[in-house]
Amino acid sequence: GAVVSQHPSRVICKSGTSVKIECRSLDFQATTMFWYRQFPKKSLMLMATSNEGSKATYEQGVEKDKFLINHASLTLSTLTVTSAHPEDSSFYICSARDYRSQGGTGELFFGEGSRLTVL
Amino acid sequence: GDSVTQMEGPVTLSEEAFLTINCTYTATGYPSLFWYVQYPGEGLQLLLKATKADDKGSNKGFEATYRKETTSFHLEKGSVQVSDSAVYFCALSSSGSARQLTFGSGTQLTVLP
Repeated sequence: GAVVSQHPSRVICKSGTSVKIECRSLDFQATTMFWYRQFPKKSLMLMATSNEGSKATYEQGVEKDKFLINHASLTLSTLTVTSAHPEDSSFYICSARDYRSQGGTGELFFGEGSRLTVL
Repeated sequence: GDSVTQMEGPVTLSEEAFLTINCTYTATGYPSLFWYVQYPGEGLQLLLKATKADDKGSNKGFEATYRKETTSFHLEKGSVQVSDSAVYFCALSSSGSARQLTFGSGTQLTVLP
């Protein structure tokens, strides 16, 4: 089946630095990718929808200047957490859909997730 | 807004025991319902889904029935295996294209030999 890969799987950084997380669709093209955040023992929260070649669409309450999303190609979306603070520590997950094979309503494929710890 | 309430874990069972993980939802209209599974170190994978009332989704011995009258989509398996140890997420989509998913908090299942 389709594979979505995230990198890095774990990252530790100092407060005030920026961290980039990559999400790649390995065997299909994804015009749309989704970024989620998961707090301990909480639901996955949709942060934003990443659109290839255009600006991301952010969910209410998500700071777009804090969480920069770039979808430069049909197989890569990046999430950059800028000026990270300890409260940004979380598990970030991306997902993508292979529209070609499913007529636009295909299954969502998820990455392995990236655990960010800000000291 | 849409929400999913899932049975809190962790759940620990012995091999061959019966599994039920409860899931109830609140949504407008007629959502599609999903169960995702996340094995250690891997991404979420779709386990099964149901798109309308009374539909039963099934896969790998797991089943869940879309119950509109009780707004529930409980996950069941008659005989669990050690390899079923994972985190299970109930989710719904209230849009026709399933663009956006609303997830439950996840339930950690550990099956002991």
